[in-house]
Amino acid sequence: EPEVTQTPSHQVTQMGQEVILRCVPISNHLYFYWYRQILGQKVEFLVSFYNNEISEKSEIFDDQFSVERPDGSNFTLKIRSTKLEDSAMYFCASSGGTDTQYFGPGTRLTVL
Amino acid sequence: DQQVKQNSPSLSVQEGRISILNCDYTNSMFDYFLWYKKYPAEGPTFLISISSIKDKNEDGRFTVFLNKSAKHLSLHIVPSQPGDSAVYFCAASAGGNKLVFGAGTILRVKS
Repeated sequence: EPEVTQTPSHQVTQMGQEVILRCVPISNHLYFYWYRQILGQKVEFLVSFYNNEISEKSEIFDDQFSVERPDGSNFTLKIRSTKLEDSAMYFCASSGGTDTQYFGPGTRLTVL
Repeated sequence: DQQVKQNSPSLSVQEGRISILNCDYTNSMFDYFLWYKKYPAEGPTFLISISSIKDKNEDGRFTVFLNKSAKHLSLHIVPSQPGDSAVYFCAASAGGNKLVFGAGTILRVKS
């Protein structure tokens, strides 16, 4: 069964460093998303991406964040200068249409 | 942001019995609702969904009920199995956009 994959599973970085989280969505899907879950909190939406552009973003998704689909398979989330409060599980999701979103296993980001 | 609420942080059920997980929402623009199951350190796994034009959807042991007038949905698991023990998230979307999640309910199925 097709699934969303994410790498790395765990990323440790120093505050102020740039990180890139990678996702391979399900191959025939057209809509891509990033969510995050800070420990003990809800899963919260960051950004959605369709037709090579951002379709919606939350207030969390400020200028420090960017997304890219560099080729036909990968979808990346870049945090330019990480802060302590960026420590969270980051989930990529994809959907074939405006319906069910399928999630990857997540990347645990730890900012020291 | 409390648009989707799961008021029960946890639920404990005996194996073989019914598990009922509840979810309330406030945004009347939501038109698609989903339930996800999540284990620690893993991503949410899709279980079942329902469109706002329906009031019930069934898939094997899982049934979701939607009461639009009460802005309430529930997930029934029958019969419950120990492998069902996980965190269950209710999520909703409006027009196929971002998902808004509830806080989750920890389900423990005792054997």
